[in-house]
Amino acid sequence: QVQLQESGPGLVKPSQTLSLTCTVSGGSINSGSFFWTWIRQHPGKGLEWIGYIYYRGDTYYNPSLSSRVSIAIDTSKNQFSLKLTSVTAADTAVYYCARVRITLVQGVPYSNYYYMDVWGKGTTVTVSS
Amino acid sequence: DIQMTQSPSSLSASVGDRVTITCRASQSITTYLNWYQQKPGKAPELLIYGASTLQSGVPSRFSGSGSGTDFTLTISSLQPEDFATYYCQQSYSTHPWTFGPGTKVEIK
Repeated sequence: QVQLQESGPGLVKPSQTLSLTCTVSGGSINSGSFFWTWIRQHPGKGLEWIGYIYYRGDTYYNPSLSSRVSIAIDTSKNQFSLKLTSVTAADTAVYYCARVRITLVQGVPYSNYYYMDVWGKGTTVTVSS
Repeated sequence: DIQMTQSPSSLSASVGDRVTITCRASQSITTYLNWYQQKPGKAPELLIYGASTLQSGVPSRFSGSGSGTDFTLTISSLQPEDFATYYCQQSYSTHPWTFGPGTKVEIK
């Protein structure tokens, strides 16, 4: 079955760039049936959607982060990545990558459900000097 | 942005109890509503999508209902492994996808 694994530095200095990679195994990232997404969870808090990318490279970002975030995809390596610039302590969080399945809505033309059906285990990133 | 709220924020229940969690959207999202379960130190897991469709492999004691702005997640008979935090999430509007604040289900 498909598995996702996040990797990257666990400690980033303030003002620097946070860079994470998600490696997809057991399935191809080069599929029109999915988006590939990043979500984060601040310590003891709820879930915040960061953005997603389609296999063709189309991206959508949370407007609250869009000036600092970029997501890229490397289909040859079956990976996608997250970059978050100018980090502060407020970016300290557990970062999850996930697969978003795209499913047709029965009886509603041109409409899809989107849901995160496979998640990575998450990686903790601390922003501190 | 579409704001999601959940009630209660936490609840205490016993094994075998019927548990209902409510999620409300700030505007109609028809049935573009997903439910996730998260246990401490673990990633969330998908329970229900499209407001009422059970994800493959999820026990049938979980069910979802609702449309428009009001949704419920019901656990018909709470099991020990169900003690967790539950999140709703809307996928009606991409900008941005938003989650509810979570409902923590604890052991009474």
